[in-house]
Amino acid sequence: TQLLEQSPQFLSIQEGENLTVYCNSSSVFSSLQWYRQEPGEGPVLLVTVVTGGEVKKLKRLTFQFGDARKDSSLHITAAQPGDTGLYLCAGEFTSNTGKLIFGQGTTLQVKP
Amino acid sequence: DAGVIQSPRHEVTEMGQEVTLRCKPISGHDYLFWYRQTMMRGLELLIYFNNNVPIDDSGMPEDRFSAKMPNASFSTLKIQPSEPRDSAVYFCASSSTGTGNYEQYFGPGTRLTVT
Repeated sequence: TQLLEQSPQFLSIQEGENLTVYCNSSSVFSSLQWYRQEPGEGPVLLVTVVTGGEVKKLKRLTFQFGDARKDSSLHITAAQPGDTGLYLCAGEFTSNTGKLIFGQGTTLQVKP
Repeated sequence: DAGVIQSPRHEVTEMGQEVTLRCKPISGHDYLFWYRQTMMRGLELLIYFNNNVPIDDSGMPEDRFSAKMPNASFSTLKIQPSEPRDSAVYFCASSSTGTGNYEQYFGPGTRLTVT
């Protein structure tokens, strides 16, 4: 069974602080995606990484894919209250099945 | 594009009643997924379809749950009879082979409460 472990599960920080969220697996991903979910809404795709070592930036968010494609991280610089939400990583382990395995998520609260 | 559409947004029903959740995927997408989300278990995949054909229903909790996709623009998830432990938010998502990485686009969800 392929599992994704996210850490930490909960994070409460002050506006302006930096943070990193981790997503790990014992299996190799074909691709990995990060989603953000706000209360009362469905998850929204932030980014997809496919190449080992790949780094992508989305404004203050930096996503990194591990060299071995078994782990990923999301770093937020100078967090803002608008960053509050549930962050989910999701991996495709077997190419071309269309199926994603989701992590349990990291709940982030950014206090003003 | 209108995005994935789900109805109803909220459903409150009594134990033993039949519940039907509806989903319209994004036009042109060939994959459709049904998920259930709870605080305890997170986001769980129930079943998914490719070109209207069920591919993997191993996440369906039990025979009380059934899903259909009669055409490319409509799917239903039915619970009969419903039980209080079915209370959760149910999401429908769609994706396309064409993107190559199967990014999923989620609907707003249906919040189901079974009393």
